[in-house]
Amino acid sequence: AQSVTQPDIHITVSEGASLELRCNYSYGATPYLFWYVQSPGQGLQLLLKYFSGDTLVQGIKGFEAEFKRSQSSFNLRKPSVHWSDAAEYFCAVGAKGDDKIIFGKGTRLHILP
Amino acid sequence: DGGITQSPKYLFRKEGQNVTLSCEQNLNHDAMYWYRQDPGQGLRLIYYSQIVNDFQKGDIAEGYSVSREKKESFPLTVTSAQKNPTAFYLCASSVDRGGGGANVLTFGAGSRLTVL
Repeated sequence: AQSVTQPDIHITVSEGASLELRCNYSYGATPYLFWYVQSPGQGLQLLLKYFSGDTLVQGIKGFEAEFKRSQSSFNLRKPSVHWSDAAEYFCAVGAKGDDKIIFGKGTRLHILP
Repeated sequence: DGGITQSPKYLFRKEGQNVTLSCEQNLNHDAMYWYRQDPGQGLRLIYYSQIVNDFQKGDIAEGYSVSREKKESFPLTVTSAQKNPTAFYLCASSVDRGGGGANVLTFGAGSRLTVL
């Protein structure tokens, strides 16, 4: 069955520290992978996506993610977080020609001053 | 600016009442989606539509209905048959249907439904 797992429900980091949010997927076809961010009470915004090619992808707001096929992972990273990064982050997976996108349950990021 | 407009932002209803959530997009996107979001549950797909006058059930369609009479509009009705309708509802759209790539979703700001 297709699924996305985000093992961390909450993560707390200090402002200026590095960040890594984990995402593992189970998908029969070659996956297309996404990270979205959601501020409280708002819709989701695309941070970055991976379709093919270079396995390290750059996104908006200084985020990057690395696709590791052998580990079925697509972890999100940022070298130095800012207080404005506090939000909920969702990993999602789809496939070529498939209209359905499957989302993980999200990781809420808290930033300490 | 192009985007997706959801209304109302907040909605209260009594048990046993149907309620319709509006979703309008001016992005000229082909596909539209409705997701339900509950705390700690992520996003779950209710219905999606790839073209006008056609739609498919998602993972949790029971107690919901939709229509797609116009490309830009995809309203969701939460019926009295939905046993636990209190949730945050998100509408999304995508342009890349059938274009060979997976869909990048553009989301509206959401509608919060509370059943009293």
